[in-house]
Amino acid sequence: KQEVTQIPAALSVPEGENLVLNCSFTDSAIYNLQWFRQDPGKGLTSLLLIQSSQREQTSGRLNASLDKSSGRSTLYIAASQPGDSATYLCAVNRGSTLGRLYFGRGTQLTVWP
Amino acid sequence: NAGVTQTPKFQVLKTGQSMTLQCAQDMNHNSMYWYRQDPGMGLRLIYYSASEGTTDKGEVPNGYNVSRLNKREFSLRLESAAPSQTSVYFCASIMASGRTLDTQYFGPGTRLTVL
Repeated sequence: KQEVTQIPAALSVPEGENLVLNCSFTDSAIYNLQWFRQDPGKGLTSLLLIQSSQREQTSGRLNASLDKSSGRSTLYIAASQPGDSATYLCAVNRGSTLGRLYFGRGTQLTVWP
Repeated sequence: NAGVTQTPKFQVLKTGQSMTLQCAQDMNHNSMYWYRQDPGMGLRLIYYSASEGTTDKGEVPNGYNVSRLNKREFSLRLESAAPSQTSVYFCASIMASGRTLDTQYFGPGTRLTVL
């Protein structure tokens, strides 16, 4: 069974800091890995999707890397802003059941002014 | 283009009552999913439908049934609600064309409380 772990569980930082959120998974036979953002009381919004053959993806101030052999991914947030405050979820797609995702418990991020 | 919609947004049930959660997507996606999210837990898959006319159990299917009514709609039914089913329920869909996997798109969730 695929286990996904996210560290830290919570993070509180002042505005402007560069952040690293960590995700690890136990089974390296993945199809892709996604990072989602979840705002309180809302659904999930996809931030970045990395295919298993890729090493990283970038979108604006966000950069996600993938090291499949070691079972790790990191989400890097540059120059954090209060609007980045949310829960960030990592999910892996093993591909055995088309599209099925295995989620970590998330990192709750608070960026204060 | 509304994406993935879910109804109702909130629901309170008494133990033993039944209800159906509705989900619809207008993106012509093939695959649809029901997840539940409990405090401090990641999302867990309840049931999924890889394509119209097929459904399969996920990680936590006990106490639930599903219907893929057509390509757009995928409903989740609680036949006899229990307090352990108090959770936030998310519906999701994905193109899953077979050649590539797009990102999953999620609905806003249904917050269910069973007393």
